[in-house]
Amino acid sequence: AQKVTQAQTEISVVEKEDVTLDCVYETRDTTYYLFWYKQPPSGELVFLIRRNSFDEQNEISGRYSWNFQKSTSSFNFTITASQVVDSAVYFCALNSWGAQKLVFGQGTRLTINP
Amino acid sequence: EAQVTQNPRYLITVTGKKLTVTCSQNMNHEYMSWYRQDPGLGLRQIYYSMNVEVTDKGDVPEGYKVSRKEKRNFPLILESPSPNQTSLYFCASSSPAGGLETQYFGPGTRLLVL
Repeated sequence: AQKVTQAQTEISVVEKEDVTLDCVYETRDTTYYLFWYKQPPSGELVFLIRRNSFDEQNEISGRYSWNFQKSTSSFNFTITASQVVDSAVYFCALNSWGAQKLVFGQGTRLTINP
Repeated sequence: EAQVTQNPRYLITVTGKKLTVTCSQNMNHEYMSWYRQDPGLGLRQIYYSMNVEVTDKGDVPEGYKVSRKEKRNFPLILESPSPNQTSLYFCASSSPAGGLETQYFGPGTRLLVL
């Protein structure tokens, strides 16, 4: 069975603080993909990153960084120097090779206060 | 521009009145899928289609129907909507089928069933 857990339902921080969103996944497959999506208040899903199970390199994109650790089945997302525009719901998702769907976590609502 | 379109974007209806949410993609993708998003549950797959005339149930198919008569279109049909189908619905497409490395999501359809 595949499962994604985002234990943090809501996070609220003050602008410029760093914030980490946790994602823990479960799968028995050795080949899989992990994703992060952002859902701003307007409702659309914005793709942020995709990682395959064979690439454990951490990734940085501007203020965003991702820490993939297979040993702990985690794929955490950090925003450095957060901004009000980062306020959104963030989803972590998993696709195991051959499974015809993305399995999403419950989402984390992030609020950045000015 | 590569995109997935959904119509309508917003819909208020009453219990039992049949409705169809259309989904269309212009990327010649074989794979299409429908998800619903509910608070605290993330997104869950309703139905998916591997190609024309090939559809299968996802995790929450009850109360929904789909069809795939053309490659570009994948409508979601609610024959007799009920209030528990009030949700935010997303259509998605990707290629190739069997690997959801890159999935394109539509803008979402907000449905309220009274």
